[in-house]
Order: sequence, then C-alpha cells, then structure tokens
Amino acid sequence: NAGVMQNPRHLVRRRGQEARLRCSPMKGHSHVYWYRQLPEEGLKFMVYLQKENIIDESGMPKERFSAEFPKEGPSILRIQQVVRGDSAAYFCASSPQTGPSGEQYFGPGTRLTVT
Amino acid sequence: DQQVKQNSPSLSVQEGRISILNCDYTNSMFDYFLWYKKYPAEGPTFLISISSIKDKNEDGRFTVFLNKSAKHLSLHIVPSQPGDSAVYFCAASVRVGTYKYIFGTGTRLKVLA
Repeated sequence: NAGVMQNPRHLVRRRGQEARLRCSPMKGHSHVYWYRQLPEEGLKFMVYLQKENIIDESGMPKERFSAEFPKEGPSILRIQQVVRGDSAAYFCASSPQTGPSGEQYFGPGTRLTVT
Repeated sequence: DQQVKQNSPSLSVQEGRISILNCDYTNSMFDYFLWYKKYPAEGPTFLISISSIKDKNEDGRFTVFLNKSAKHLSLHIVPSQPGDSAVYFCAASVRVGTYKYIFGTGTRLKVLA
C-alpha cells in the first residue's frame, strides 16, 4: 500500500507566478489535510478536505490560496501570484476517518522556494 | 496564539540514557494528544498518542505522560538510540465543528553514540 504521495518534491517559482502542489492520499483515505511549515516553526493547519468538499479552510490565507480534492485525481493546493513569504514546506496528510485520535499519514512534503 | 508549545528547540542525549521531550498546552478542550517524529526530507510519522482521560500510555521504548492540571505532557524514550535522532512534534486535537489538529514547533533530538 503506497503511502501519501506529493509532487513535486521541490518547486521554484518567481514572484508573481502560480504554484500547484499535488497530493495523492493513501488508498482508502477520504480525508486530506494540508499543512505549512515555515522555517523554524511548527506545522500550521491550512485546510481539511473530503472528496469534492472543503470542510475547514480556517487556516488558509483568504487571498491567493485555494485547495480542491476532486472526485477523481489528487488534491491540489494552488497558490497564485506567489510572494517570498510563501516559501515553506507544504505537507499533505490523509486519514481514513476523522476523530479526536485521528492518526494522520503524512507525505514527504513539497518545498516551495520563491525567488 | 500558540496553543501547543514545545519550549526546547533542541535536546542532546547520550545513547542508552532517557530522552524526555516536553510539551505544554493552553486549551483545556483538547481531546487527544499525539507525538510525531520527523526525519529530514520526510513527512512526520505518528509515534504515540494519549487520550485526555488518561495519564499514561506506553508503547515499547516510548511512554507519554499527561498532567492535565498542569496542562503538560511529556514523551519519554528509554533507552535512547541513535536512530531516534529526529524532530519530535507534539500535537493536540480539538473539536471545533470538525476535529482540528494543532502542532507544536518541534524539538530536535540528537542521540549521541
């Protein structure tokens, strides 16, 4: 059973360009979470999605950021008009269910560098 | 507002000795606490968890202690091994509509051979 897949692993974008980060959850997992880790900081929750639904996007910046988890295909985190402050590691996690002890399985992350 | 705090950014321990990683929290509504381990260039992996109604959970070399009155939990690793060298994240879950997981900033553990 393959783990959570993220691609690309490294992404370099110039200021003003768009960044698209992909996440394929583990087989059988219908819950996807995106986190951002800035240098020297912990993981910050961004958004929680189920198939075709955004459940909680309270951690996502209101502008330039969007996420989707279509019926078919991977979850996508999209950042428009990137700025230097968007440089971070973005991690996707999936779980088969939600709940207080919902153990999440993380992908290896995408390291975004904005030049 | 950092609801889950790991005040020690790093810790060095001799192989074979005990490693103690600490975590403090502010929200008394947290249901569960989890520890994740992260190696460089990899995503975090789940290590051990504890329900807020318990005060101890043990799994092999790893034990998590919860002190609710002090809003403090700790992860004990004994004996520590060089392969334990990693960043350890403390996390807590709380229901705000759906369940949300809040992570601390991590503690980098280095086990010296």
